[in-house]
Amino acid sequence: GNSVTQMEGPVTLSEEAFLTINCTYTATGYPSLFWYVQYPGEGLQLLLKATKADDKGSNKGFEATYRKETTSFHLEKGSVQVSDSAVYFCALNSGYSTLTFGKGTMLLVSP
Amino acid sequence: EAQVTQNPRYLITVTGKKLTVTCSQNMNHEYMSWYRQDPGLGLRQIYYSMNVEVTDKGDVPEGYKVSRKEKRNFPLILESPSPNQTSLYFCASSTWTSGGFSTDTQYFGPGTRLTVL
Repeated sequence: GNSVTQMEGPVTLSEEAFLTINCTYTATGYPSLFWYVQYPGEGLQLLLKATKADDKGSNKGFEATYRKETTSFHLEKGSVQVSDSAVYFCALNSGYSTLTFGKGTMLLVSP
Repeated sequence: EAQVTQNPRYLITVTGKKLTVTCSQNMNHEYMSWYRQDPGLGLRQIYYSMNVEVTDKGDVPEGYKVSRKEKRNFPLILESPSPNQTSLYFCASSTWTSGGFSTDTQYFGPGTRLTVL
């Protein structure tokens, strides 16, 4: 079956540091890949997505590249801000709109 | 404003007392889904619906019911809640691209925190 594995958190960084959150997946077919973000007390919001191999999704300074050869979709940002503190979920959709989520990675950014 | 709304946002109840959590979307989406979020487990799908009167089980359907009588609404029903259903619940919706394509973005509601004593 489908599965998503993300690095465990919390990830603690200082403002302006470089961020990487690793995500690898197992899926049949050709899934679409997503990063969702959950700010404290809120629902999930789409951060970025990629729908085919070698696509790069980007938004708000975050980016992730769909790597089919390594089955990965790592999230990166060059310079994090305190306002980026949230929980980040990697997810895949291999068909029929069923999302499979990773367990989430909490990011804490200090001034 | 395009949104998914859920009510109530917080609910404390007792074992066995039937409850309904409502979900409504104003984006004319065909697809709607319910998830529960538990620490260390991420989000798991409970039920989903591809259109009016079409529903199917997700990964953790036991103890839950759903109905889809109108396109905009997708209520989650717990007929006899138990403490192991204490969780944070999210409703989501998206367009539905027939043929099984998977590019549609799901939009999530703000969540309902349920505590069953």
